[in-house]
Amino acid sequence: RKEVEQDPGPFNVPEGATVAFNCTYSNSASQSFFWYRQDCRKEPKLLMSVYSSGNEDGRFTAQLNRASQYISLLIRDSKLSDSATYLCVVEPDTGRRALTFGSGTRLQVQP
Amino acid sequence: DAGITQSPRYKITETGRQVTLMCHQTWSHSYMFWYRQDLGHGLRLIYYSAAADITDKGEVPDGYVVSRSKTENFPLTLESATRSQTSVYFCASQREDTQYFGPGTRLTVL
Repeated sequence: RKEVEQDPGPFNVPEGATVAFNCTYSNSASQSFFWYRQDCRKEPKLLMSVYSSGNEDGRFTAQLNRASQYISLLIRDSKLSDSATYLCVVEPDTGRRALTFGSGTRLQVQP
Repeated sequence: DAGITQSPRYKITETGRQVTLMCHQTWSHSYMFWYRQDLGHGLRLIYYSAAADITDKGEVPDGYVVSRSKTENFPLTLESATRSQTSVYFCASQREDTQYFGPGTRLTVL
C-alpha cells in the first residue's frame, strides 16, 4: 500500500465548476499535511498547508480528518489557470523533515 | 532573487558513466533534498541534508552519492548510471514548513 494515495484522474471539468480531490495517508503519526501544485514539466509549488480545523485560501479549501487519515482539497469556481496536477503531501513523524508525495491528481479545466 | 537553481537542465548519458547533477540555493536554508519523479511513483526522496556535512539516505538512495561541503550547494552524483535512473530530478530546500523546488533536471540514460 502506498503511503499517500490519490485518484490520478484526470478530472475534466468546465470553467466555473467546483471540484474536489481526496487523498488518504497510511502513517497515523504524520504531523504535517500540504497540497502542492505542479504544472506540466515544472517544479512542484506549495498551494496550501492543511490544518485540522480546515483552512481556506480564496477559492481553495483544504480539510484534514485525522481519524480517517483523509485529506481533501476543494476548488470552487474553477479557472482555466487551475489546470495542473495537485499533489497530496504528508510529512511523516520521522524527524527528517522530508516529505512523502502522492502521485498526484490531474485537473483539466475546459472552456 | 535566483532562489534555487539546478544544472544541467537536460542531460543524456550512457549506461555506466558517472553523472553529477548540481543544485544551488541562494537562501542559506539548512535543509536540502533530492527527489526523483517517475510516472506512477510521484516524487521519491533520494537523499537529504540537514546542514553542511550532514547527509542521510531517503527512500531510494541506491546508486547515488551526495555531498554538502557548503550550505548553498548539494550535488547529486550517479556513480555508474543505469537505464532505471532515467528520470526527472528535483532539488529542494526548506524554510519552515515550505519546500522550494528547483526547476528540475531531465536525465536520460541510454
